[in-house]
Amino acid sequence: EPEVTQTPSHQVTQMGQEVILRCVPISNHLYFYWYRQILGQKVEFLVSFYNNEISEKSEIFDDQFSVERPDGSNFTLKIRSTKLEDSAMYFCASSLGQTSNQPQHFGDGTRLSIL
Amino acid sequence: GQQVMQIPQYQHVQEGEDFTTYCNSSTTLSNIQWYKQRPGGHPVFLIQLVKSGEVKKQKRLTFQFGEAKKNSSLHITATQTTDVGTYFCAGPWNTGNQFYFGTGTSLTVIP
Repeated sequence: EPEVTQTPSHQVTQMGQEVILRCVPISNHLYFYWYRQILGQKVEFLVSFYNNEISEKSEIFDDQFSVERPDGSNFTLKIRSTKLEDSAMYFCASSLGQTSNQPQHFGDGTRLSIL
Repeated sequence: GQQVMQIPQYQHVQEGEDFTTYCNSSTTLSNIQWYKQRPGGHPVFLIQLVKSGEVKKQKRLTFQFGEAKKNSSLHITATQTTDVGTYFCAGPWNTGNQFYFGTGTSLTVIP
């Protein structure tokens, strides 16, 4: 069964540095998402992406964050000038259609640790 | 903003006992989805409910969507150790491309 892949599995970064988290969504999926999960807490929506542009973003997704689909397969999340509170598990997900009628498939996540 | 609350937050059951988690949204949802996250894992889609009052079953799991489409429940009959994990309800918000997860219910099954 096709799956969403994320790299790296664990990223350790100094506070203030930039990080790029990478995702390869399922190949025929059209909608892509990033979520964040602080340890022991709920999964929080960050952003959805469709047709090469952001379709929705949450209050968490401020100017510090950006997403990009640089080629036909990768989907990246960039965090500029990381803060301690950015430490979390970041999940990428993709779906065939809108979340209103399609399940999302999640990757294994990238654990981001900010020192 | 959108809030999706689940109760209980934690539940410990003896293997073989039943388990139920309840999900309540602050707004009406066009549909509700349920996900399971094993410890250290990622959310895995279980099911989607769309119609008011809809009930769906998957083996020992029964899912229900409320008449007002603001609440939902997941019931597991005769829990097994493989049921361990956190169960999240989730629903689309606004145009449908913003998605809110509930606070989750963490299930521990004691053998």
